[in-house]
Amino acid sequence: QSVLTQPPSVSAAPGQTVTISCSGSSSNIGSNYVSWYQQLPGTAPKVLIYEDSQRPSGIPDRFFGVKSGTSATLGITGLQTGDEADYYCGTWDNTLSLGRAFGGGTKVTVL
Amino acid sequence: QVQLVESGGGVVQPGRSLRLSCAASGFRFSRSGMHWVRQAPGKGLEWVTFIVSGGRNQYYRESVKGRFTVSRDDSKDTIYLQMNNVRVEDTAVYYCARDGGHYELDWWGQGTLVIVSS
Repeated sequence: QSVLTQPPSVSAAPGQTVTISCSGSSSNIGSNYVSWYQQLPGTAPKVLIYEDSQRPSGIPDRFFGVKSGTSATLGITGLQTGDEADYYCGTWDNTLSLGRAFGGGTKVTVL
Repeated sequence: QVQLVESGGGVVQPGRSLRLSCAASGFRFSRSGMHWVRQAPGKGLEWVTFIVSGGRNQYYRESVKGRFTVSRDDSKDTIYLQMNNVRVEDTAVYYCARDGGHYELDWWGQGTLVIVSS
């Protein structure tokens, strides 16, 4: 049971926009930066967003992140078939031995 | 190019030990904190442990405290995860990942599979 809650799945047609929510608390999202990770089938995770809304070099601006209070959201615009993957939010949690927490993951399906 | 290569996975019996390694290249390893993250088959990501640059401090998830030990050898650009008294629930792909310094894990290895089974 993760301290960060994500919907198990979201879906949309190519070209549309999807959003993935990540709900936490004051001890994690409410007081620490959020990062987002994409895990394509059979591969290692890759960071998409750090510090709530920043994109590493090479990540297209179709991916965006926002945070408000104890919740964060990853958005993907112009959805492509190659975006079909699992997506995870992550942050520090001040109550977990100074450890990191990940959300349970959200499967994005391109219809 | 940053590379992280894990090794040491395999099949181990409950209660036995296993040591994983993660060899790094392409960046100044000694200046980077490093994480181990695991993923049970068909499940999500689970953070396991973090070791700071220099190795003075380590942090662990509760379920592995007292059983797992993370260490690093900066002369070999390698981190290790010593897994003692393993349990069936430790079965997972174990990834090492670099702490990016902006509260994210910015580079990940390809993972090594650990199966705990009698």
